[in-house]
Amino acid sequence: DIQMTQSPSSLSASVGDTVTITCRASQTISSFLNWYQQKPGKAPKLLIYAASSLQSGVPPRFSGSGSGPHFTLTITSLQPEDFATYSCQQTYIAPFTFGQGTKLEIK
Amino acid sequence: EVQLVESGGGLVQPGGSLRLSCAASGLTFATHWMSWVRQAPGKGLEWVANIHPEGTETYYVDSVKGRFTISRDNAKQSLYLQMHSLRDEDTAVYYCATENILQHQGNWFDPWGQGTLVTVSS
Repeated sequence: DIQMTQSPSSLSASVGDTVTITCRASQTISSFLNWYQQKPGKAPKLLIYAASSLQSGVPPRFSGSGSGPHFTLTITSLQPEDFATYSCQQTYIAPFTFGQGTKLEIK
Repeated sequence: EVQLVESGGGLVQPGGSLRLSCAASGLTFATHWMSWVRQAPGKGLEWVANIHPEGTETYYVDSVKGRFTISRDNAKQSLYLQMHSLRDEDTAVYYCATENILQHQGNWFDPWGQGTLVTVSS
């Protein structure tokens, strides 16, 4: 199985900051990498698919980049509603593994 | 509006069985791969299984192979997960999710249902 490793596991930031979350696959996964946002008690919400494509309706302050084994999610100008947990997922080959999640908290 | 609604969760003893359902509306259900994803309390997301639009192919994570069966009824726009020989570690919120696929770009999951809680405990 492909292992997905996110860093950091948690992150504190302030409104208006720019943050970057990293996801590393244990092998190349081309650009088959998605990012989700999840708030407590809610289902995950798709933000970015195919490494860098912004899902419809998602604000452009969210962006994704990378390929092969290394990917990043960047959030610019953090808003109060952005404080949540972010998870990456590879869909290169089943099982479609997720990273362990990065909890973004308000400083 | 696309909507997925899971049901069937609850408390079950170790070794027991449970059948989850996911009712879809607002989408062409019969054209989509569908997945089940679970999340144990305080833990990350774990993909469990998926199924071809026609039900002709299924895939599972190793930890549930031989115990769980994913199926679908396109006429009823419904997805199912039959779970047998349940273990404590199967305790989780189970989500159904719609897979979207583009050639050379992979699959992505959107939308998701609200989830149904399965608790395995004596």
